[in-house]
Amino acid sequence: GQQVMQIPQYQHVQEGEDFTTYCNSSTTLSNIQWYKQRPGGHPVFLIQLVKSGEVKKQKRLTFQFGEAKKNSSLHITATQTTDVGTYFCAAPLGGADGLTFGKGTHLIIQP
Amino acid sequence: EAQVTQNPRYLITVTGKKLTVTCSQNMNHEYMSWYRQDPGLGLRQIYYSMNVEVTDKGDVPEGYKVSRKEKRNFPLILESPSPNQTSLYFCASSLNGFLEQYFGPGTRLTVT
Repeated sequence: GQQVMQIPQYQHVQEGEDFTTYCNSSTTLSNIQWYKQRPGGHPVFLIQLVKSGEVKKQKRLTFQFGEAKKNSSLHITATQTTDVGTYFCAAPLGGADGLTFGKGTHLIIQP
Repeated sequence: EAQVTQNPRYLITVTGKKLTVTCSQNMNHEYMSWYRQDPGLGLRQIYYSMNVEVTDKGDVPEGYKVSRKEKRNFPLILESPSPNQTSLYFCASSLNGFLEQYFGPGTRLTVT
């Protein structure tokens, strides 16, 4: 079936470095959502992007939706240990089954 | 407090012993879904429900059953669990399936 491709699968950074994860689809998306899962926790909704070229910020997190609405990115500036976890993108791909999730990017921070 | 609850949180069982994982939400959401999470495979949808008495298969439905007799509850049933169903299971709910999903705390299941 259709997929949402997310890269990289793992990212090791030193504390204070920046981090970016990317999400790509072969089809135009009506919206894209980002979730964070802390180690041992459950996915928690971060944000939804709807408009072409949309950019939203939450403190050190910047979310972008591509002009063609086929890709998205999450950028974290100056990572902190609290940013550790897995970041998922998710989007409705046209079926009645709700959201399709990317496989996630595991962010590992070395102090 | 708006939440999705799952029980039990941890379960160790043996092959073939029927089990049910309960899921309940208090947000009056129409849509509910079950996922399993395995290393390297992300979140894979097992079953979903768009409304009461309406359920459908997700990507990995084999070996699972669900029911949606009431809006708030969406139990996951394993009639004859097998070791390949050892996984972390999440229930989620949403207003309509395409908006923000609220996840339960997860159920870690081990089948020996």
